Amino acid sequence: DTEVTQTPKHLVMGMTNKKSLKCEQHMGHRAMYWYKQKAKKPPELMFVYSYEKLSINESVPSRFSPECPNSSLLNLHLHALQPEDSALYLCASSHPGLAGGPWSDTQYFGPGTRLTVL
Amino acid sequence: SQQGEEDPQALSIQEGENATMNCSYKTSINNLQWYRQNSGRGLVHLILIRSNEREKHSGRLRVTLDTSKKSSSLLITASRAADTASYFCATSRNTGGFKTIFGAGTRLFVKA
Repeated sequence: DTEVTQTPKHLVMGMTNKKSLKCEQHMGHRAMYWYKQKAKKPPELMFVYSYEKLSINESVPSRFSPECPNSSLLNLHLHALQPEDSALYLCASSHPGLAGGPWSDTQYFGPGTRLTVL
Repeated sequence: SQQGEEDPQALSIQEGENATMNCSYKTSINNLQWYRQNSGRGLVHLILIRSNEREKHSGRLRVTLDTSKKSSSLLITASRAADTASYFCATSRNTGGFKTIFGAGTRLFVKA
């Protein structure tokens, strides 16, 4: 299984809502990532989990809360978002890197969740 | 600041022609990767080249890496309409974490 799945595909939420994005992979990867991508822009790294521990937080506002309950699952909890948070949210996974080094190797991306905040 | 800068920003060619995209970066890297993204969808990994490699081939793809100039190029030969997509380079370096930074991307349009 070489697939990263993300649910839901589309999400519309109000600024007072609480919702969660889910990502799953069964490739045995021990690094998982959340990216945010605005239209016609490259993906921007938000969070990295390595061996189920938060490794990188790119100064993301606290209204985004990541969670890695096990090695196959990655969640992104959303609360009190702003309209400017509307974007495509991409999840990815990878092996931790050559010889276990802390740099990322080939990343496998999910199809993304298209989030609209009203 | 952005690690990878790409040019051109957009490229329009006829089917059968070759397409060349360039990527420049600013700091030392462990590897450089190229990804393709069809409109509004997830990214697909194309090829990875390590910092000690100079050239790599995969099917119709040829990637070069010049670490002295901090640049890479992606060549797609005999392009097809299905190659129409955005192409991103991504650099990965040892920062104490798994940090990958994507370039701005090149939007390729292949006309049938």
